[in-house]
Amino acid sequence: SQQGEEDPQALSIQEGENATMNCSYKTSINNLQWYRQNSGRGLVHLILIRSNEREKHSGRLRVTLDTSKKSSSLLITASRAADTASYFCATYPNFGNEKLTFGTGTRLTIIP
Amino acid sequence: DTEVTQTPKHLVMGMTNKKSLKCEQHMGHRAMYWYKQKAKKPPELMFVYSYEKLSINESVPSRFSPECPNSSLLNLHLHALQPEDSALYLCASSRQGQGYGNTIYFGEGSWLTVV
Repeated sequence: SQQGEEDPQALSIQEGENATMNCSYKTSINNLQWYRQNSGRGLVHLILIRSNEREKHSGRLRVTLDTSKKSSSLLITASRAADTASYFCATYPNFGNEKLTFGTGTRLTIIP
Repeated sequence: DTEVTQTPKHLVMGMTNKKSLKCEQHMGHRAMYWYKQKAKKPPELMFVYSYEKLSINESVPSRFSPECPNSSLLNLHLHALQPEDSALYLCASSRQGQGYGNTIYFGEGSWLTVV
């Protein structure tokens, strides 16, 4: 079953604009990760944020985590056409049979 | 470029065929995974091997049979599949055994069509 719900399901923006995607999850987590998937390809890991962290940066990516609201956001600044992809959040729960569970994903389209 | 290699990239098989998907990683990772992904859906976990032992089977039908010959190789044997099994099958690996909250590294996937 899916742990995370992502919002919006689809997002189209102009090149150069910022893109923000949100992820909500249900149970307490060890960490939350974001992955990108280009159409028909494998997933690529973008960034991992641990439950005791609130914000993390990697290049043009900024991830925030609010464990009290069980939510995370991914911000891509100065978007490029190459950022067109599906983005998934994924969580490791903080109990028992740990396995990475993916959210529903956001399909991002960057319009040149 | 991914360091998890999957073959074949595309496979078309009949419902009575037996085929296998293969996966290889040389990163020294100790956990390997099979995921199934349908169009416009997130990946769904099928199996996890941790230190070469099957640690998770997500109630996958027996027509899918995983095998981990060694720490670098993972196979998925397919037999008597149904058309609804058509999907992208993703292999992945992580540095430590399953359950350590690791980053997972994915292959490019094998597109399976069952006719």
